[in-house]
Amino acid sequence: DADVTQTPRNRITKTGKRIMLECSQTKGHDRMYWYRQDPGLGLRLIYYSFDVKDINKGEISDGYSVSRQAQAKFSLSLESAIPNQTALYFCATSDRPGTSGRIEQFFGPGTRLTVL
Amino acid sequence: GQQVMQIPQYQHVQEGEDFTTYCNSSTTLSNIQWYKQRPGGHPVFLIQLVKSGEVKKQKRLTFQFGEAKKNSSLHITATQTTDVGTYFCAGHGGGSNYKLTFGKGTLLTVNP
Repeated sequence: DADVTQTPRNRITKTGKRIMLECSQTKGHDRMYWYRQDPGLGLRLIYYSFDVKDINKGEISDGYSVSRQAQAKFSLSLESAIPNQTALYFCATSDRPGTSGRIEQFFGPGTRLTVL
Repeated sequence: GQQVMQIPQYQHVQEGEDFTTYCNSSTTLSNIQWYKQRPGGHPVFLIQLVKSGEVKKQKRLTFQFGEAKKNSSLHITATQTTDVGTYFCAGHGGGSNYKLTFGKGTLLTVNP
């Protein structure tokens, strides 16, 4: 979705380097998520945030940290990158469910990260 | 924790053939969502099912949610080359956290 942007779109880095992936959204959603996608493994949740003061670990948070700088911005950091963190990373947002109960997530275009 | 299994992992069909992908959850779900990811793209929401036994249709796509709210399927009738991509189910276990647990996806390829 054009309303959810990620930078950079591609990044090659070396083992041990610190790297930050950024996500911005103009949808006005409170909830933001970081996923990683590996071939054959689907989408796995790294961290999620329901507002600026609420940060929660997902199923694979080890080796990652996040920062929710504002409602619209959610950054993912790899403190010391390792080769098995090579993956496609997606940011997503969702609104409060409202009366319909619909909780669809809107994904950014992804960041392809390679750690050498 | 909650697990969502999806089969098959891959499916190759001739254009015009039907296609079905299945999801099974280890726990009862509050709702289930389906997403499509085109090659090189990002996941895009297709539909959300909430009620036990619910069936919804979108043109050639039919989505079902099982009576026990632990399984779901997506069926495509008469596939077209535009249907190519990976289809993911994503289960929500309930509660206020609204986390989704994604299946590993089914990659559909269509031979014209």
